[in-house]
Amino acid sequence: ETAVFQTPNYHVTQVGNEVSFNCKQTLGHDTMYWYKQDSKKLLKIMFSYNNKQLIVNETVPRRFSPQSSDKAHLNLRIKSVEPEDSAVYLCASSFRRGVFFGKGTRLTVV
Amino acid sequence: GEQVEQLPSILRVQEGSSASINCSYEDSASNYFPWSKQEPGENPKLIIDIRSNMERKQIQELIVLLDKKAKRFSLHITDTQPGDSAMYFCAASFNTGNYKYVFGAGTRLKVIA
Repeated sequence: ETAVFQTPNYHVTQVGNEVSFNCKQTLGHDTMYWYKQDSKKLLKIMFSYNNKQLIVNETVPRRFSPQSSDKAHLNLRIKSVEPEDSAVYLCASSFRRGVFFGKGTRLTVV
Repeated sequence: GEQVEQLPSILRVQEGSSASINCSYEDSASNYFPWSKQEPGENPKLIIDIRSNMERKQIQELIVLLDKKAKRFSLHITDTQPGDSAMYFCAASFNTGNYKYVFGAGTRLKVIA
């Protein structure tokens, strides 16, 4: 079944550590996104990639960086996590109609 | 501006009644409006959408309305069931050629049996 795949599902880490989240989509879409969903379930766009070109960067902290090897992959790296980074990070892809989400990665910073 | 406002943030309805969620957008260039449903522990999933060349679209119990002049669109769930309890997100697509989506803040719907 084609979909948007994220790993890991959960990650617990200490303040100051570096983490990386992976995302792969097999839908053949041209655009991928990373969203942050906080405890109140608010969805906020962080990055958007279209054909490996960053097209949206919603002024997220510099410790966040997207990494893409091709249009099917978009990873998210956090260089030095902070407590406020605890959230669910959702990867998504889109083409002409609709946006399709992965299952999310829940990050807990202790 | 590129904000999408979504109201209410919390909605409780009796089973069998209708539920309505309203969204407004700022950029008149928006031409595509998907609605996503996120059940507990799951990722958001597209449930219905509408394009700017339409004013109304219905899929079974889901109805979406679009008022381009007022820059508002809404989701109406008729004959709600407990399984409709979830988070609902509206979004507006600003068609710059890259289909950037901006989401509303979400509505938590609770259908009471």
